[in-house]
Amino acid sequence: QSALTQPRSVSGSPGQSVTISCTGTSSDVGGYNYVSWYQQHPGKAPKLMIYDVSKRPSGVPDRFSGSKSGNTASLTISGLQAEDEADYYCCSYAGSPRVFGGGTKLTVL
Amino acid sequence: QVQLQESGPGLVKPSETLSLTCTVSGYSISSGYYWGWIRQPPGKGLEWIGSIYHSGGTDYNPSLKSRVTISVDTSKNQFSLKLSSVTAADTAVYYCVRDDPWYFDLWGRGTLVTVSS
Repeated sequence: QSALTQPRSVSGSPGQSVTISCTGTSSDVGGYNYVSWYQQHPGKAPKLMIYDVSKRPSGVPDRFSGSKSGNTASLTISGLQAEDEADYYCCSYAGSPRVFGGGTKLTVL
Repeated sequence: QVQLQESGPGLVKPSETLSLTCTVSGYSISSGYYWGWIRQPPGKGLEWIGSIYHSGGTDYNPSLKSRVTISVDTSKNQFSLKLSSVTAADTAVYYCVRDDPWYFDLWGRGTLVTVSS
């Protein structure tokens, strides 16, 4: 099972919006509504930000939103803040195994 | 609140077996959920290793299946990972996670395991 494809890096200024894409196939992203997104700050464990494509866990700001179209899922962060600077990983159920994207480094300019 | 904590040797010799344990506090494993392991080589991305249901059913990454065993000890509220015949490519930070099961909602802090002679 191949990893999902994410851009290596994205950037935005405080207050702006950025979108991170996650492209898979009909066997993973396109086949199931089980896409999740994780935020990872340097030296820290990943944190769940979005699950089931577009649901937010309790405590995650509503600035974070998720969507999916076909074989591509997206994470949008609006009203960028300095603390949003981190690595972001998507993950999809694919029967077995669960597959992750390669990660996207978000830089807040 | 629910917390997960990994423990085990930080250094393993090539060809030997890597063994890690995750201790769960604030929640009884026997009450439900899957429990799993994810690893991250230094400077690289995440890889799901496998998960176990509280009753013992397992699901492994096919790429690692021949070398992986995940087990659960409900009496100690722990679950464990064994990875056999390790090489330098298995050097990584290993995270234990609660697997919901379509997403990983709780993570341990992670433990670095280095494979080296």
